[in-house]
Amino acid sequence: DAGVTQSPTHLIKTRGQQVTLRCSPKSGHDTVSWYQQALGQGPQFIFQYYEEEERQRGNFPDRFSGHQFPNYSSELNVNALLLGDSALYLCASSFAGSYEQYFGPGTRLTVT
Amino acid sequence: ELKVEQNPLFLSMQEGKNYTIYCNYSTTSDRLYWYRQDPGKSLESLFVLLSNGAVKQEGRLMASLDTKARLSTLHITAAVHDLSATYFCAVERGDYKLSFGAGTTVTVRA
Repeated sequence: DAGVTQSPTHLIKTRGQQVTLRCSPKSGHDTVSWYQQALGQGPQFIFQYYEEEERQRGNFPDRFSGHQFPNYSSELNVNALLLGDSALYLCASSFAGSYEQYFGPGTRLTVT
Repeated sequence: ELKVEQNPLFLSMQEGKNYTIYCNYSTTSDRLYWYRQDPGKSLESLFVLLSNGAVKQEGRLMASLDTKARLSTLHITAAVHDLSATYFCAVERGDYKLSFGAGTTVTVRA
C-alpha cells in the first residue's frame, strides 16, 4: 500500500516565478492538507481540500492556491515567488471523519 | 488564535537518563498529536491523544494529556542515541487543521 507521495522532491525557482507541487494521497483517503515548514520552525497549515473544494484555509496570501482532482490527488500552486517562500512543503492525507493525518516526504522549494 | 508552545526548544540528553518535553496550548482542543522529524525528512506520527487523562506508550516514549491544564508531556525513559530528532506537538480543534509547536530538538550524547 503506497503511502502519501509528493513530487518533485526538490525544486529551485527564481523570485517572481510560479511553481506547482503535487501530492497523491494514501490509498482510500479523500482529504488532502498542505503545510509549509520553514527551516527551524513547525509546519504551518496552508489549506485543506475535500471533494475538490477548499474546506479550510490558514493565514496565507492568495498567491497560494490549490486544486483537488477527482482521483483525490492535489496540487499546490504558488505565484510570484518570494525568497520567504523557501521551505519544505508537506502534504498530508486523511479520510473524511478520521482524525489521523499521514504526511508525505515533502517537497523542498528553494527560491533564489 | 490557537497558540502551541513547546519547551524546551533544545534538549541535550545523556544516554540512560530520563527527560520530559512539555507542550502547552491556549484554547480548548479536541486532539493532541506528537510527531517525530529526522533532519530533512517528513513527519512520523508517534501518538494521538484524544481525551483528558489519556496516556500512550511506545518503547521509551510515553505521552500524556491534561486537557484542564491544556498540557501534554512527552516523557523519554533511558535515552538512547536513536531518539535524536526534532519532536513536535500539534493540536486540532475538530476542524482537521493541525496547529504545531515550534519543535524540540533532541540530541542524545554518550
